[in-house]
Amino acid sequence: GIQVEQSPPDLILQEGANSTLRCNFSDSVNNLQWFHQNPWGQLINLFYIPSGTKQNGRLSATTVATERYSLLYISSSQTTDSGVYFCAVEWASGTYKYIFGTGTRLKVLA
Amino acid sequence: KAGVTQTPRYLIKTRGQQVTLSCSPISGHRSVSWYQQTPGQGLQFLFEYFSETQRNKGNFPGRFSGRQFSNSRSEMNVSTLELGDSALYLCASSLQVRASPLHFGNGTRLTVT
Repeated sequence: GIQVEQSPPDLILQEGANSTLRCNFSDSVNNLQWFHQNPWGQLINLFYIPSGTKQNGRLSATTVATERYSLLYISSSQTTDSGVYFCAVEWASGTYKYIFGTGTRLKVLA
Repeated sequence: KAGVTQTPRYLIKTRGQQVTLSCSPISGHRSVSWYQQTPGQGLQFLFEYFSETQRNKGNFPGRFSGRQFSNSRSEMNVSTLELGDSALYLCASSLQVRASPLHFGNGTRLTVT
């Protein structure tokens, strides 16, 4: 099956710092989403980005499907950015369900 | 537009019991999928329903089952609960089965004692 790996697994930043989170996948995908899971467990949509680049405020994402990776950029981080970031891919082969990556746990210090 | 609603938010059950969780999708969304999240296994796909039919199923034992009603609301059932079933159960809805972003509810946290 497809493997979805995220790096780094853990990240600690000072407020105001920038960061890049990476999602690698081992096979062709139809779609990719980035989510932020807050401390209460809620999964919040960040981006639906099968290819190209999108921006939303301090966050932006880039997916290069042909090279099988996606990047999530967080600029000027805030304490409210803390939580776990997941990428999820819709695998192009087999059944069409989203497979989640291993997650990046981010902690932003004040 | 209301989001995905899951009930109940918290549940405590005893080994051997069964449990039913409910999920109401975003209005107009016809696909509902379920995920189990545990610290050790991460987020794992359980099953997906579209137009009252199960379209996909993950690698879970038959104790885990689900259904979807004509109004797209979905329920999942776990019978003969085991301690390892303690987890956050997340429901997501989407417009279609393919090429459609997922929108998650707040989850149901199940504790089995």
